[in-house]
Amino acid sequence: DAGVTQSPTHLIKTRGQQVTLRCSPKSGHDTVSWYQQALGQGPQFIFQYYEEEERQRGNFPDRFSGHQFPNYSSELNVNALLLGDSALYLCASSGAFSGNTIYFGEGSWLTVV
Amino acid sequence: AQSVTQLGSHVSVSEGALVLLRCNYSSSVPPYLFWYVQYPNQGLQLLLKYTTGATLVKGINGFEAEFKKSETSFHLTKPSAHMSDAAEYFCAVSENTGGFKTIFGAGTRLFVKA
Repeated sequence: DAGVTQSPTHLIKTRGQQVTLRCSPKSGHDTVSWYQQALGQGPQFIFQYYEEEERQRGNFPDRFSGHQFPNYSSELNVNALLLGDSALYLCASSGAFSGNTIYFGEGSWLTVV
Repeated sequence: AQSVTQLGSHVSVSEGALVLLRCNYSSSVPPYLFWYVQYPNQGLQLLLKYTTGATLVKGINGFEAEFKKSETSFHLTKPSAHMSDAAEYFCAVSENTGGFKTIFGAGTRLFVKA
């Protein structure tokens, strides 16, 4: 049973560029949440997708957007990258049978130069 | 609004000593509480969780935590530290209000001395 998978694992972008990160949830999960973890900090909630719609959103600007596909996989898009966007981006999935428990992928390391 | 406070960004213990990592939460409704562990360059792994019922929760790797409503606390303990326990630990809270938004504390890095 595959867990949560994310791609790419590492990437480097230039200020002002755009980036797309991808996530496949754990089998049987239909809800995907995205988190940003800056160095030395705890994960910060970006947003959550359920039934292909954004259900909840944290305190992040509109430069951060997402999408969920019919197979429950998800993308996180960040436009007009800033140096401060450098972080580990974590995807977490959950479902009806996981209760309130979210399960994380290994993350995508984004470096903005 | 939910929030989590982890007391102590760094905790150092000797191998074989008691591990105590402190967590206090704020929630407007009965919370769901979690502890996650993160090893270097990895994602977060669930250690244990409290939803309802028994307030003393046992998790993996010998860890346990006790939910104390009156103190709004959910401290993590392990009777005897092992070198492999060295990692970052995150306490988290979630409210079952239609979405599973989980809020994390800033983390506590555990060092284990030989």
